[in-house]
Amino acid sequence: AQTVTQSQPEMSVQEAETVTLSCTYDTSESDYYLFWYKQPPSRQMILVIRQEAYKQQNATENRFSVNFQKAAKSFSLKISDSQLGDAAMYFCAYRSATGEPDKLIFGTGTRLQVFP
Amino acid sequence: NAGVTQTPKFRILKIGQSMTLQCTQDMNHNYMYWYRQDPGMGLKLIYYSVGAGITDKGEVPNGYNVSRSTTEDFPLRLELAAPSQTSVYFCASSPRLRTEGSTEAFFGQGTRLTVV
Repeated sequence: AQTVTQSQPEMSVQEAETVTLSCTYDTSESDYYLFWYKQPPSRQMILVIRQEAYKQQNATENRFSVNFQKAAKSFSLKISDSQLGDAAMYFCAYRSATGEPDKLIFGTGTRLQVFP
Repeated sequence: NAGVTQTPKFRILKIGQSMTLQCTQDMNHNYMYWYRQDPGMGLKLIYYSVGAGITDKGEVPNGYNVSRSTTEDFPLRLELAAPSQTSVYFCASSPRLRTEGSTEAFFGQGTRLTVV
């Protein structure tokens, strides 16, 4: 069974600085998708970025980028130029692309605080 | 443009009571999920469905039941509420990856349930 591990329960960053959130996963599959979701205090789950395992190029979405290391099974999220609105829980998630059902499996989350 | 709608948003139950959490999606997604999120934790999969008439257990199914009579609706039933079921519950839906090529899951706003 696939597992997702986020080893940083909390992180903090100064406004305008850069922060990296870590995620590792375990799978025997070769084809899958990885995601970072943001959960602000409103509880709404918001997709931040996704990465297809078959793509070597790291995904980027404006100030958000990932460092995808397939061999190491590592998927970290880098937030550049941090803003107060980035403060939230961040969840790493895995979805199989080879089998069914392709359940979405989450890590335990990292709470990010942003200081002015 | 409703997406995934969950009701109610908040509920307090007494031990032993039963209730149904409602979830409806209007995106014609095959996959639907129920997750629970305990304080400071990630999302754990309770049940999921790959289409109308098909449901299966996730990681933490005990104490819950589901049904999927239509594509749109996926209610979660708690039969005998226990304090351990105090949590925030999320419903989500996604297209079938293999046929529609879309990976994104869409979430409802969550239901905060307290059992006293």
